[in-house]
Amino acid sequence: ELKVEQNPLFLSMQEGKNYTIYCNYSTTSDRLYWYRQDPGKSLESLFVLLSNGAVKQEGRLMASLDTKARLSTLHITAAVHDLSATYFCAVDISGTDKLIFGTGTRLQVFP
Amino acid sequence: SAVISQKPSRDICQRGTSLTIQCQVDSQVTMMFWYRQQPGQSLTLIATANQGSEATYESGFVIDKFPISRPNLTFSTLTVSNMSPEDSSIYLCSVVRGFNEQFFGPGTRLTVL
Repeated sequence: ELKVEQNPLFLSMQEGKNYTIYCNYSTTSDRLYWYRQDPGKSLESLFVLLSNGAVKQEGRLMASLDTKARLSTLHITAAVHDLSATYFCAVDISGTDKLIFGTGTRLQVFP
Repeated sequence: SAVISQKPSRDICQRGTSLTIQCQVDSQVTMMFWYRQQPGQSLTLIATANQGSEATYESGFVIDKFPISRPNLTFSTLTVSNMSPEDSSIYLCSVVRGFNEQFFGPGTRLTVL
């Protein structure tokens, strides 16, 4: 059974600081996704990572994938309040487009 | 990206009743997915809605409780049957578009009293 674990579950960080969210999954997968969810809203697609060593960056967020370690990271650089949200990683089940989601990381950025 | 709409956006229902949620996509897609997000939790896949065939359900979800229709390549419905307070969740549909990108609808927030 494919399991996806994220840590931390909750992250409170000061503006301007850097931090990393980790996503571990239990079996091989072709694709890993990162999503953002604001309170009461749907999911916004951030990144799709397709191969070992893949790195993608958008603004203050950078995602990477290590398929050998079954680990993805979402790195936040110089956090700002607007990044406050819940972040989910999700793993595709063997190319079926079915996604198994991580537990989510609730990020709060304070001044 | 994909433009996905869901109806209703939210509803409050009585125990024992049923609610049908609609998902409309702006262009044809092969597969549509239905997910559930219980309060404060992550998302769990309910089923895959295939056009022209029966939906395939994930472990823990059954057709009698969550019947799904997929009459064409742009539309699907999910019914939550014989509701109980435990069914209070956000229900989201999703589609795959372009190069492996999966997009989610705005969600239907269901409260069962």
